[in-house]
Amino acid sequence: DAKTTQPPSMDCAEGRAANLPCNHSTISGNEYVYWYRQIHSQGPQYIIHGLKNNETNEMASLIITEDRKSSTLILPHATLRDTAVYYCIVRAPLGSGGSNYKLTFGKGTLLTVNP
Amino acid sequence: DAGITQSPRHKVTETGTPVTLRCHQTENHRYMYWYRQDPGHGLRLIHYSYGVKDTDKGEVSDGYSVSRSKTEDFLLTLESATSSQTSVYFCAISDRGGDNEQFFGPGTRLTVL
Repeated sequence: DAKTTQPPSMDCAEGRAANLPCNHSTISGNEYVYWYRQIHSQGPQYIIHGLKNNETNEMASLIITEDRKSSTLILPHATLRDTAVYYCIVRAPLGSGGSNYKLTFGKGTLLTVNP
Repeated sequence: DAGITQSPRHKVTETGTPVTLRCHQTENHRYMYWYRQDPGHGLRLIHYSYGVKDTDKGEVSDGYSVSRSKTEDFLLTLESATSSQTSVYFCAISDRGGDNEQFFGPGTRLTVL
């Protein structure tokens, strides 16, 4: 499995963009990059995923470098409710069941949005 | 939010007793997963299911068994609970194991004394 490296913590001012980096230098060509977040005491929440191209949805943008060795999750206007642990995950195949894929969660980045 | 419930939400039990956790979904998703979350380890996959009566082991399956007799329910059983199984347990579902994201339940906090 490709491993990911994230800073343990980051701070961001409310209303500003939060840019969360992730290194995944051993990623394989068919592996996707997923981002999840976990607000304290809740289950993880899916944010966004991508393969090569940059992606955007209502929650965030995902920027993947051309060599795919790193990516950045961007929360364009962070709010206090975005304070959470953010996980960058590279998807790996699971078992022999064909299209099953597991998610391997690392320690993530604790993003604290300050007023 | 995806329709996933877990029961019980909290449980305290004693070493050596059997424990069953239930995950129930109303989304008719094919894939279901059980994770545990511990400080310093993040989330780790215990078992998963890719259909009714189709299950397989994850990375930390020792001491756990699962069953899936119908699409909506995925049961996790600790045959003889140990203190090392004190953890928060999360269930997740997805409608395809490939590209689709996993939706997580609210979690069950289990304490084994």
